[in-house]
Amino acid sequence: DTGVSQDPRHKITKRGQNVTFRCDPISEHNRLYWYRQTLGQGPEFLTYFQNEAQLEKSRLLSDRFSAERPKGSFSTLEIQRTEQGDSAMYLCASSLMLGTGVTEAFFGQGTRLTVV
Amino acid sequence: GNSVTQMEGPVTLSEEAFLTINCTYTATGYPSLFWYVQYPGEGLQLLLKATKADDKGSNKGFEATYRKETTSFHLEKGSVQVSDSAVYFCAGSNFGNEKLTFGTGTRLTIIP
Repeated sequence: DTGVSQDPRHKITKRGQNVTFRCDPISEHNRLYWYRQTLGQGPEFLTYFQNEAQLEKSRLLSDRFSAERPKGSFSTLEIQRTEQGDSAMYLCASSLMLGTGVTEAFFGQGTRLTVV
Repeated sequence: GNSVTQMEGPVTLSEEAFLTINCTYTATGYPSLFWYVQYPGEGLQLLLKATKADDKGSNKGFEATYRKETTSFHLEKGSVQVSDSAVYFCAGSNFGNEKLTFGTGTRLTIIP
């Protein structure tokens, strides 16, 4: 397995446009997380899924943001009507929830979004 | 909610110097604690973790001990190498959702 993959790695978009990012987790992992990281800060939690169910959303996730994981495998994060404040690195992580606990989270390399 | 306060950077040390990066946390209950590392051009990687009080996590010569009495999880290494240059993040998570709360990160540069 090649780890967590994110696509694209970089995205430049004009303010007001919609963008969609994709995350492919490690294949057997049932948990998938999205985080956002701005320059000089640590990653901030956005949302997470267990299989296809979205179990929690942060208050950071405004109505313009939507995340899906339709078949419990890959996930998409869409931002509608982008704003300059959306410029950040968007990170995806996955882990495996077992009866005995959760394995460590493995992170992708992120998608860097620049809104101009 | 949980919060993690991490020593501000950047930190520059000479090779073979002793390293300490401070981290303290506030949380409801007893979170699991982690140190993640981000090498240039790479994604976040788990460096070490501790899941309960007095646990010591260790990896690649780095250590951190979960101190409940001081709510701390300081990262230490006895002799740093140039290859340790990276950004280090302290993080915590609660049982159940395991979402991570990160500190702001500390950029470490080791000079030969």
